[in-house]
Amino acid sequence: GQQLNQSPQSMFIQEGEDVSMNCTSSSIFNTWLWYKQDPGEGPVLLIALYKAGELTSNGRLTAQFGITRKDSFLNISASIPSDVGIYFCAGQLTGTASKLTFGTGTRLQVTL
Amino acid sequence: SQTIHQWPATLVQPVGSPLSLECTVEGTSNPNLYWYRQAAGRGLQLLFYSVGIGQISSEVPQNLSASRPQDRQFILSSKKLLLSDSGFYLCAWSPYTEAFFGQGTRLTVV
Repeated sequence: GQQLNQSPQSMFIQEGEDVSMNCTSSSIFNTWLWYKQDPGEGPVLLIALYKAGELTSNGRLTAQFGITRKDSFLNISASIPSDVGIYFCAGQLTGTASKLTFGTGTRLQVTL
Repeated sequence: SQTIHQWPATLVQPVGSPLSLECTVEGTSNPNLYWYRQAAGRGLQLLFYSVGIGQISSEVPQNLSASRPQDRQFILSSKKLLLSDSGFYLCAWSPYTEAFFGQGTRLTVV
């Protein structure tokens, strides 16, 4: 099935640093979503993007819907220990209403 | 506001035993409902989704089945569990595109 390539797979950063991760695909997506999952819990929606080129912020998080509609990135500024977790991108393909395709996740670990 | 309930949180079952995981949504009507499975350290695999009562779509062939007996109730079942059924099972609901997840069930088949 369709896959979203998410990178990096994992990253260690120091508290206070900025973080950037992205998702790419060979297919066109109508919607891009970014989720965070804490250990043992369900993913929580962070940001939703609906239009090509859209740039949206949620506190220290900023995400953009790529112009080609085949990619998206998520930035986290001034990371803090509670940012630790797995971040997933997800997208809705054209013609697949009601279904999301998820990326493989980026594991973020923050060192003090 | 909408809430999603999923239970149990953890479950240990012997191989060959039946399974029933339940998920209910409150505060909305006619939601799309989903069951995902997540292997340790991996991404989310869509197992089933439903756009209405009695309407179930299966994404992958497997040892599991799903049912939607009521508008806001989604059940994941198995008649005989396999070791490979172990994993973290997540129920989710969606008004259209964004999915909102339950807390998950950690299933260990022994």
